[in-house]
Amino acid sequence: GAVVSQHPSWVICKSGTSVKIECRSLDFQATTMFWYRQFPKQSLMLMATSNEGSKATYEQGVEKDKFLINHASLTLSTLTVTSAHPEDSSFYICSALLRGISNQPQHFGDGTRLSIL
Amino acid sequence: KQEVTQIPAALSVPEGENLVLNCSFTDSAIYNLQWFRQDPGKGLTSLLLIQSSQREQTSGRLNASLDKSSGRSTLYIAASQPGDSATYLCAVKDSSYKLIFGSGTRLLVRP
Repeated sequence: GAVVSQHPSWVICKSGTSVKIECRSLDFQATTMFWYRQFPKQSLMLMATSNEGSKATYEQGVEKDKFLINHASLTLSTLTVTSAHPEDSSFYICSALLRGISNQPQHFGDGTRLSIL
Repeated sequence: KQEVTQIPAALSVPEGENLVLNCSFTDSAIYNLQWFRQDPGKGLTSLLLIQSSQREQTSGRLNASLDKSSGRSTLYIAASQPGDSATYLCAVKDSSYKLIFGSGTRLLVRP
């Protein structure tokens, strides 16, 4: 089945550091990838929609200069949390849609736990 | 604005019991509905996907139904096992192809 790989799985860093998270579709091409954020015991909140070769679309309230998204190829999207602060600590999960097939399941990565000290 | 609600928020049952998890959504104009399982600290595993034109889907001990007109879906788990313990999330795909998630049901199956 379709596999989405997310790296790293866990990051601990100091306040002010920028952190990059990678999301790869391993066995399919994904024109669209999604980035979610999840706080403890809460559900997933969509942050942005990433389309290959174009700018990401951010949800209301999400700072695009804070959370930089790049989708340079059909198999890779990256989320960079710039100048991270403790309030950015969260669980970040990406998902990918099979190219051109919008009625198929979304496949999710295993998530990245980000802890900012 | 689409809102997805899951009831109950938490559920504890003895092993072997059949159980039903509920999901409701406010806007019936959905593309499809997906049920996921999430283990603590992990990502999401897709369980079942129901297209808007379908009424139900089955996979092993799992059966999901969809009543789009009333904005409801149920996930039925037969003969529950301790390994079924996890958080179950439902999500609807709206007309903009975004997935809107419910807050989840935390299931504990006691041996």
